[in-house]
Amino acid sequence: EDKVVQSPLSLVVHEGDTVTLNCSYEVTNFRSLLWYKQEKKAPTFLFMLTSSGIEKKSGRLSSILDKKELSSILNITATQTGDSAIYLCAVEAIGGGADGLTFGKGTHLIIQP
Amino acid sequence: DAGVTQSPTHLIKTRGQQVTLRCSPKSGHDTVSWYQQALGQGPQFIFQYYEEEERQRGNFPDRFSGHQYPNYSSELNVNALLLGDSALYLCASSFRGTLYQPQHFGDGTRLSIL
Repeated sequence: EDKVVQSPLSLVVHEGDTVTLNCSYEVTNFRSLLWYKQEKKAPTFLFMLTSSGIEKKSGRLSSILDKKELSSILNITATQTGDSAIYLCAVEAIGGGADGLTFGKGTHLIIQP
Repeated sequence: DAGVTQSPTHLIKTRGQQVTLRCSPKSGHDTVSWYQQALGQGPQFIFQYYEEEERQRGNFPDRFSGHQYPNYSSELNVNALLLGDSALYLCASSFRGTLYQPQHFGDGTRLSIL
């Protein structure tokens, strides 16, 4: 059974700090790892990491996939109050099992002014 | 360009009743997946529809069923509702024809069972 574990489950920091969120996974026939940001409702897509694309960056957010350690990190630099959200990590497997995503429980990030 | 839309936004039902939730995928997408998100948990995969057929299914009982129409929109049906079915139900769409396409989510339907 595919499994995703995120840490920490919650994190409170001050505006301007840099944070690192962790995600480890166990999946048969790995295809991709995805990061989503969930504020009130719909998870919003951030990054997709694959064997051919192990580093992604967009503005203050960046993510790295470590296929050897079966893990990924999401970094946010110069945090702002608008970064407060739940950050979800998910993995996708190739065929065989469900094509659906397997999610972790998420990291609840709170940015204090 | 409309994203994924779901209806209704909120729903209150009692135990034993049946419910139908609806989803319209993002323009250009042909695959719809449904997820259940309980409070404080990550979304859990229920099933996925493509070409009007259920293609994959997660660990959910037969009380959960679905349908996809020729215009790619989809429904999730839940029979004999239990208190534990209270959750946010998320629909996600994607395009199956290209590798490495992320799923895009709708705002969800908040289902409360009394």
